Order: sequence, then structure tokens, then C-alpha cells
Amino acid sequence: EDKVVQSPLSLVVHEGDTVTLNCSYEVTNFRSLLWYKQEKKAPTFLFMLTSSGIEKKSGRLSSILDKKELSSILNITATQTGDSAIYLCAGPNDMRFGAGTRLTVKP
Amino acid sequence: KAGVTQTPRYLIKTRGQQVTLSCSPISGHRSVSWYQQTPGQGLQFLFEYFSETQRNKGNFPGRFSGRQFSNSRSEMNVSTLELGDSALYLCVWSRGWGSTEAFFGQGTRLTVV
Repeated sequence: EDKVVQSPLSLVVHEGDTVTLNCSYEVTNFRSLLWYKQEKKAPTFLFMLTSSGIEKKSGRLSSILDKKELSSILNITATQTGDSAIYLCAGPNDMRFGAGTRLTVKP
Repeated sequence: KAGVTQTPRYLIKTRGQQVTLSCSPISGHRSVSWYQQTPGQGLQFLFEYFSETQRNKGNFPGRFSGRQFSNSRSEMNVSTLELGDSALYLCVWSRGWGSTEAFFGQGTRLTVV
């Protein structure tokens, strides 16, 4: 089964900082990797990275897949307090999620 | 995505009791996973069911169990509750192996006192 490890588990920054969240995975046959943002209860979808689409960007958020290193990063530039959330990545095959990174952005 | 229903939304139980949580699927989604989420441990995988069969299981004690019915609805049960079982329990639906989408329920907030 797939294994997904996220780091760090928690992170505290100030508004305007840039943060990088990490997700590494061990899989047998890679198909895709998903990023989600959880603000209250149910996480919401951010990005899907596949072999043919290894970089995605949406506003201040961007994500890159490194298939060689079996990892992905989620970058958030010019952070805002509204970015405070838990960020989750999901393994490619059996939709296995990592523990998540709890990001806190202070004013 | 609308359609994933978890019940109840909130629950308070006392130590030693047992609890059953329910999760109803989105049409066409046959794989359901359950997770426990706490501030200290983050999201932890409990088990996964596909077509009524448990396909994978996380590192939780036998007090945690689950099942999936023929109509795809899933339940999880926790017996002999402990204070440490207080958490948000999330169910996640997907179409199965190789699926590229996951749909979360709103979660059940369980408090054990």
C-alpha cells in the first residue's frame, strides 16, 4: 500500500512570509498526487499533479511534483491569515492521506 | 462535493461506552476510507472498504472496526471508548484504485468524557 509522509507537522509564520510544505510518498505505480486544504471540517481540493502535469499554480499557491525524489511541495507566497489551515496531500493510488501540516499565519 | 453525509455531526460519550458513526456515499463511489484526526497526531488512517470488503487497515486497536453495506453506506464502531478517542472522524469516498478524486464528509466530532 502507498505511504505518504508530510512535513513539517506544524508551522507558524507571519503574514507576508513564504512557506513550503513537503509531501513524500512511496508507491508502486504512480498515477497522481492530490493536495487539499482543511479550514474547518471537510478538506477542499487544491491541486492534482500527474505524470503529465507536474506543476500547478493558483494565485499565491503553487505545487510541484518531483517524480525522481518521489515528493511534492506546496508553496504559498505572501501568506495571509486566511491561509491558516491544515494542508493535506494524498497518495496516488489508494487515496491514502498524510497526517497533514497545520499552518498558522499570524498578523 | 455535496452528497457525502456523515452522522452524527457531534457526539459526547463517556468512557467505556461504544459508538457507531455513519457515512453515506456519493453515487458511483465504492471505496470509503475512515480517518481519525487529532491536533497532536494529525490525520491517521483507520481502514478502507471497497465493495463491502476491508481492503486496508491502519495501526489502530481492535476496538475500532468498520463495515460497508451493499448500498455502499459505511459505518465505523468504537467500543470501550477511551478519553484519547476524542477526535474528528472523517470518511472519504473515491471511485476506487487509481481514482484521482476524493470526497470528504463533514466529519463527526466525538468527545469522550
